[in-house]
Amino acid sequence: DAGVTQSPTHLIKTRGQQVTLRCSPKSGHDTVSWYQQALGQGPQFIFQYYEEEERQRGNFPDRFSGHQFPNYSSELNVNALLLGDSALYLCASSSTGQGAGGYTFGSGTRLTVV
Amino acid sequence: AQSVTQPDIHITVSEGASLELRCNYSYGATPYLFWYVQSPGQGLQLLLKYFSGDTLVQGIKGFEAEFKRSQSSFNLRKPSVHWSDAAEYFCAVVDLPNTNAGKSTFGDGTTLTVKP
Repeated sequence: DAGVTQSPTHLIKTRGQQVTLRCSPKSGHDTVSWYQQALGQGPQFIFQYYEEEERQRGNFPDRFSGHQFPNYSSELNVNALLLGDSALYLCASSSTGQGAGGYTFGSGTRLTVV
Repeated sequence: AQSVTQPDIHITVSEGASLELRCNYSYGATPYLFWYVQSPGQGLQLLLKYFSGDTLVQGIKGFEAEFKRSQSSFNLRKPSVHWSDAAEYFCAVVDLPNTNAGKSTFGDGTTLTVKP
């Protein structure tokens, strides 16, 4: 049973460009949350998707947007990249029926903005 | 707003010695608390969680944590550390604990180094 799959694993972009990161949730999970983890810090909540809609959002600018597809997979899009967007982006999936204890994290996408 | 503080940025222990990692939280209601471990370049692995009931919770890899409401703490412990325990450890609190709709707020982590 595959866990949470994220792609790509590493990415290098130039300032001002746009990037799309992808996440496939664990089998049976219907909710996807995205987190940004800067070097030396804990993960910070970006947003959560459920039933193809953004259900909750953290303190991130509108340059960060997302999407959830009917198969529950999700994308994170970041426009007009800044150097400060360099971080590990983590996807976590969960199931409505499991409550808060069922989060499973992927291994992340390491984004470097130059 | 909820918050988590991990006072120790870096801890070094000898292999076989005991370990305690500190976590203090701020949350308006009964907290739902987690400890995760992260190896370099990897995602987060759940060690244990607490929502209610027995304040001493057991996790994987021989870890345990004790919830102390009076001290707003949820410290992680292990009686005998193994070299493979070297990693970064994160404490987190979740809002909306009765659903999976909540967001997790993490501390900034504690890096554990294990001396041979």
